[in-house]
Amino acid sequence: NAGVTQTPKFQVLKTGQSMTLQCAQDMNHNSMYWYRQDPGMGLRLIYYSASEGTTDKGEVPNGYNVSRLNKREFSLRLESAAPSQTSVYFCATRAGTGETEAFFGQGTRLTVV
Amino acid sequence: ELKVEQNPLFLSMQEGKNYTIYCNYSTTSDRLYWYRQDPGKSLESLFVLLSNGAVKQEGRLMASLDTKARLSTLHITAAVHDLSATYFCAPHMDSNYQLIWGAGTKLIIKP
Repeated sequence: NAGVTQTPKFQVLKTGQSMTLQCAQDMNHNSMYWYRQDPGMGLRLIYYSASEGTTDKGEVPNGYNVSRLNKREFSLRLESAAPSQTSVYFCATRAGTGETEAFFGQGTRLTVV
Repeated sequence: ELKVEQNPLFLSMQEGKNYTIYCNYSTTSDRLYWYRQDPGKSLESLFVLLSNGAVKQEGRLMASLDTKARLSTLHITAAVHDLSATYFCAPHMDSNYQLIWGAGTKLIIKP
């Protein structure tokens, strides 16, 4: 069981380039999330998808777009990368929106130069 | 808006000592989660606290939740080096079903 798989693990982009971070889960969970983690700031929610076919903005959505391709996959796109988007990105899943805990992927370390 | 404050943010301690990490949050939340993160790694679930007065223990770690005081604690008993990590608390925000994350407490336990 892979759980939550993120690709790539590392990426360096030039300012203005675009890229898509991929997340796939085999846990049959309904809810999926994209967070960014910056030093000393905990996790900040970028976008989430409560169920297949729905997406909603989180705390810091500017500069990002998402697609919930199917129940398993939730991608995060940076259309025009900026140095402020240098961060570690985590995908997470939850079975539902109630009492369940979140399970995390291994993270993508993104540097924008 | 729910705000979460963890303290201390950094803690260096000797093996064998006891200590407590505090997680305060600003608005009503009836459940809270604790996670551990090792350097360069992902987050791993430690405890799920689902009601007022909930107490969970795993090895040398014990977590509790007081929803009336809007406070959760993570107590470390007789610390060992392997517990060195960053610990996050995350209360659940009922209005939109999100977890709101504290900044994390970086714990270093010296042999």
